[in-house]
Amino acid sequence: GAVVSQHPSRVICKSGTSVKIECRSLDFQATTMFWYRQFPKKSLMLMATSNEGSKATYEQGVEKDKFLINHASLTLSTLTVTSAHPEDSSFYICSARLGAQSSYEQYFGPGTRLTVT
Amino acid sequence: AQSVAQPEDQVNVAEGNPLTVKCTYSVSGNPYLFWYVQYPNRGLQFLLKYITGDNLVKGSYGFEAEFNKSQTSFHLKKPSALVSDSALYFCAVRAPYNTDKLIFGTGTRLQVFP
Repeated sequence: GAVVSQHPSRVICKSGTSVKIECRSLDFQATTMFWYRQFPKKSLMLMATSNEGSKATYEQGVEKDKFLINHASLTLSTLTVTSAHPEDSSFYICSARLGAQSSYEQYFGPGTRLTVT
Repeated sequence: AQSVAQPEDQVNVAEGNPLTVKCTYSVSGNPYLFWYVQYPNRGLQFLLKYITGDNLVKGSYGFEAEFNKSQTSFHLKKPSALVSDSALYFCAVRAPYNTDKLIFGTGTRLQVFP
């Protein structure tokens, strides 16, 4: 149980285009999902917290107009990187919290490798 | 502010030997502590957690961790390492009054040699 998927697993796009990454909780409902960015050989940086049916909460320094997050259902959150640039190339990972009654662990998706050329 | 430190970038151990991956934390109040493992080009997999109760926590794949309040540590251990344990390990902490965020350490790469 508690499986989280991401699609696509890797994407290459041209500079200036937008890319959408999907994060799905496959066998549970997730009122809260999280989006992380991981640089090579670095830890995970929390970008934003995505709450179903409400606006995402962005971490300091993360541009909300550049990284659009939508959490339209209890099993799907999307991250759209708008007008992507080479510096946006990274490994993006989502996670989902099992619910308010859980012991607070997060379950992570397999990640999406974004390369902007 | 909450923080987690993993003092070792890499740990090398021979297969069959015990392994320890270190983690220390700094939080206000009682900590909720987690260990995750990441294989190349993959997301993180949950290994174990400490919320309350016994200081020795047993998790997946034969791993365990010991919560030490006086030393503010939560070291990950395994009695006998496998080559397949080679991966990147992250310690994380969540303060009990913050219900959402996990703060991750910088990660420790474990290399198990045959």
